Amino acid sequence: AQSVSQHNHHVILSEAASLELGCNYSYGGTVNLFWYVQYPGQHLQLLLKYFSGDPLVKGIKGFEAEFIKSKFSFNLRKPSVQWSDTAEYFCAVSTSGGSYIPTFGRGTSLIVHP
Amino acid sequence: KAGVTQTPRYLIKTRGQQVTLSCSPISGHRSVSWYQQTPGQGLQFLFEYFSETQRNKGNFPGRFSGRQFSNSRSEMNVSTLELGDSALYLCASSIPTGSYEQYFGPGTRLTVT
Repeated sequence: AQSVSQHNHHVILSEAASLELGCNYSYGGTVNLFWYVQYPGQHLQLLLKYFSGDPLVKGIKGFEAEFIKSKFSFNLRKPSVQWSDTAEYFCAVSTSGGSYIPTFGRGTSLIVHP
Repeated sequence: KAGVTQTPRYLIKTRGQQVTLSCSPISGHRSVSWYQQTPGQGLQFLFEYFSETQRNKGNFPGRFSGRQFSNSRSEMNVSTLELGDSALYLCASSIPTGSYEQYFGPGTRLTVT
């Protein structure tokens, strides 16, 4: 079974700082990769996704993520965070041809100070 | 399109009781998955239903069960509640083709005392 590791459990940044959240997975086959975000008091929503093609994917609100197959990684980045980015971020991986149920990481809590 | 709805939004139960949670998926979505979210554990997959059949199951005890109706609405039941069952229970619906992108509901916050 695949597993997903999010190395940063809590991140605190000031506005305008750059953000990179790490995500690594353990599965050698073809994967679909997701980042979800959960803003305070809101439901989980999709930030961006990778299925195939260009390994650099862009999502909503200026977020992007890069799939590096050789490193089994799918790190989330944003060049300049805002206070409104304060949220919990989850990386998820599903396998093509498998049960396709995504496995989620434990999440990273991001706090952005104004 | 209306999003995924879950009822009730909040529940307080005592140990030993049972509880039923409900989820209505996005119209046209036939797959419904349930997750348990707890601080520090992230989202743990409970089970998935498609066309009224449980198609995938996570690693939870038999006290956790579910079902899906012909209109794709799903219910989740937890019997003999334990304190450790306190969590946010999330429902997600999807069209299970291609990338299997999921759409989540707001969750039901269950507190067991």
